[in-house]
Amino acid sequence: KAGVTQTPRYLIKTRGQQVTLSCSPISGHRSVSWYQQTPGQGLQFLFEYFSETQRNKGNFPGRFSGRQFSNSRSEMNVSTLELGDSALYLCASSLYQGSSTDTQYFGPGTRLTVL
Amino acid sequence: AQSVTQLDSHVSVSEGTPVLLRCNYSSSYSPSLFWYVQHPNKGLQLLLKYTSAATLVKGINGFEAEFKKSETSFHLTKPSAHMSDAAEYFCGLASGGSYIPTFGRGTSLIVHP
Repeated sequence: KAGVTQTPRYLIKTRGQQVTLSCSPISGHRSVSWYQQTPGQGLQFLFEYFSETQRNKGNFPGRFSGRQFSNSRSEMNVSTLELGDSALYLCASSLYQGSSTDTQYFGPGTRLTVL
Repeated sequence: AQSVTQLDSHVSVSEGTPVLLRCNYSSSYSPSLFWYVQHPNKGLQLLLKYTSAATLVKGINGFEAEFKKSETSFHLTKPSAHMSDAAEYFCGLASGGSYIPTFGRGTSLIVHP
């Protein structure tokens, strides 16, 4: 079974631009979560989608948004990019068993550099 | 509220010697605990997971972890380090019906030849 895939793997943008990242979950997985990873802040939860609905959200500004499609694929968008948005953005998918026993499987990430 | 503390930011071992990566947690509920490994420029790979079954959990690549409720710990061990084990390791916790894990800050494992 193919793993979680993320595209693109690398992106370079300039301040003020916007960016869209894509994530395809493992086949059959219905929940997709997004994380931002930086050396200073570690792994921070952005948001989670299930059945095209955002169910959980971390503490990030409204510039960060996402959506999920009917095939469970997800995109996240960052508008008005800032230098501090430079990070590795990780997507994780899970079956969604509705409990803390659910396991998240991560993609390779998209490395975003904002100049 | 739940939290995870990885007690060491860096651990340095020689190849062939034991590995111990320490993780303490705080949770008001029975937790599910995870260890993930991240190699450079890669995503996180699940090493092992505890979900209230056996307290000693065996994972991939010879790693195992023991859940100790009295000590609120979930330390990761491996009897003999290999050069390929050099990576960043993350301990994660989910509890109280929340399946969104909280992660520790990570431990960088350095393996010397």
